[in-house]
Amino acid sequence: DGGITQSPKYLFRKEGQNVTLSCEQNLNHDAMYWYRQDPGQGLRLIYYSQIVNDFQKGDIAEGYSVSREKKESFPLTVTSAQKNPTAFYLCASSMTGGGGEAFFGQGTRLTVV
Amino acid sequence: AQSVSQHNHHVILSEAASLELGCNYSYGGTVNLFWYVQYPGQHLQLLLKYFSGDPLVKGIKGFEAEFIKSKFSFNLRKPSVQWSDTAEYFCASSTSGTYKYIFGTGTRLKVLA
Repeated sequence: DGGITQSPKYLFRKEGQNVTLSCEQNLNHDAMYWYRQDPGQGLRLIYYSQIVNDFQKGDIAEGYSVSREKKESFPLTVTSAQKNPTAFYLCASSMTGGGGEAFFGQGTRLTVV
Repeated sequence: AQSVSQHNHHVILSEAASLELGCNYSYGGTVNLFWYVQYPGQHLQLLLKYFSGDPLVKGIKGFEAEFIKSKFSFNLRKPSVQWSDTAEYFCASSTSGTYKYIFGTGTRLKVLA
């Protein structure tokens, strides 16, 4: 089945540690995105990538980093610089930039303990 | 800047009641509009989308939405809700080539059996 796979589903991190969230897609989409979902705030864009080896900051990129070495993969690292990392993180992909629908993964719930 | 507003944060309805969720967008140019649904524990799924043409768009599960350009609105409707429609609903907009999907803050719908 084609789709987007995020792992792990739940992640616990100690304060001060970096953690990497995985996102893989087999939809052959060029564009990939990371969103953060907090109650009452909807989805906010962290980073997006239009093509391999290229990515752009979204609205709330501070404290996060990404890479796009392969078309299928767009991992997100939550660094210790992120002041409030506990959230639900969603990865998405689309065929083109904004001209079609975005497809979403199941999400990763990150909790800082 | 592009933005999306959803005015109903929580909606409670009885089964068979009619549903209308408000969505307003702000952008002076051509936009693409979407409604996504997030059932408890599941990923975001596309309900319907509008790119151009007939402003009344029909989606899955009996949902429809009407694009009213003069009001910058894209309200979601369903004539008769079911208990299984309990979910969170997100309105989103994009513009072709921008690689940005802008989401509203979401509306939590609870349908009482």
